[in-house]
Amino acid sequence: KAGVTQTPRYLIKTRGQQVTLSCSPISGHRSVSWYQQTPGQGLQFLFEYFSETQRNKGNFPGRFSGRQFSNSRSEMNVSTLELGDSALYLCASSLAGQVQNEQYFGPGTRLTVT
Amino acid sequence: GESVGLHLPTLSVQEGDNSIINCAYSNSASDYFIWYKQESGKGPQFIIDIRSNMDKRQGQRVTVLLNKTVKHLSLQIAATQPGDSAVYFCAEKDSNYQLIWGAGTKLIIKP
Repeated sequence: KAGVTQTPRYLIKTRGQQVTLSCSPISGHRSVSWYQQTPGQGLQFLFEYFSETQRNKGNFPGRFSGRQFSNSRSEMNVSTLELGDSALYLCASSLAGQVQNEQYFGPGTRLTVT
Repeated sequence: GESVGLHLPTLSVQEGDNSIINCAYSNSASDYFIWYKQESGKGPQFIIDIRSNMDKRQGQRVTVLLNKTVKHLSLQIAATQPGDSAVYFCAEKDSNYQLIWGAGTKLIIKP
């Protein structure tokens, strides 16, 4: 069974631009969670989607948004990029939720904002 | 607010020795905790979890201990191997049913 895949793996953007990251969960998994990982901050929860609905949201500004499609694939979008948005963005999938079941993480998308 | 943190940012251990990674949490109402391992260039990988109705749980070469009195969680790795080199995170389920992650501890294995 294929693992969680994220595209692209690396991305360089300039301030003010927007970016869309993609995540394909493990087949059969309906929950997708997104995290931002920065040195010294650990993993910060962005949001969780389940069956195309946002079920949970972390404390991030509205510039961060996401969605989930009927095939459980998910995208997250960051608008008006800031230097502080440079981070590793991780996606994790699970059968029913980030705390109900074990999460499986993808390798992440490394975003650099210049 | 709720927070999860680690006592040591870096831990160096001799190969073959046991490793103990510690984690403190602040929310006494938390009832579920997870340990993750993240190797360089990869996403975190689930190691072991424990619910608050337990004090100890064992897996393959790993043991998690939960001390609710002092709100402390630890991960013990027996006979540490080079492949155990990674950053280890504890995570706590908060009242909003989200996982709150600690900052991580880097485990370094000395040959």
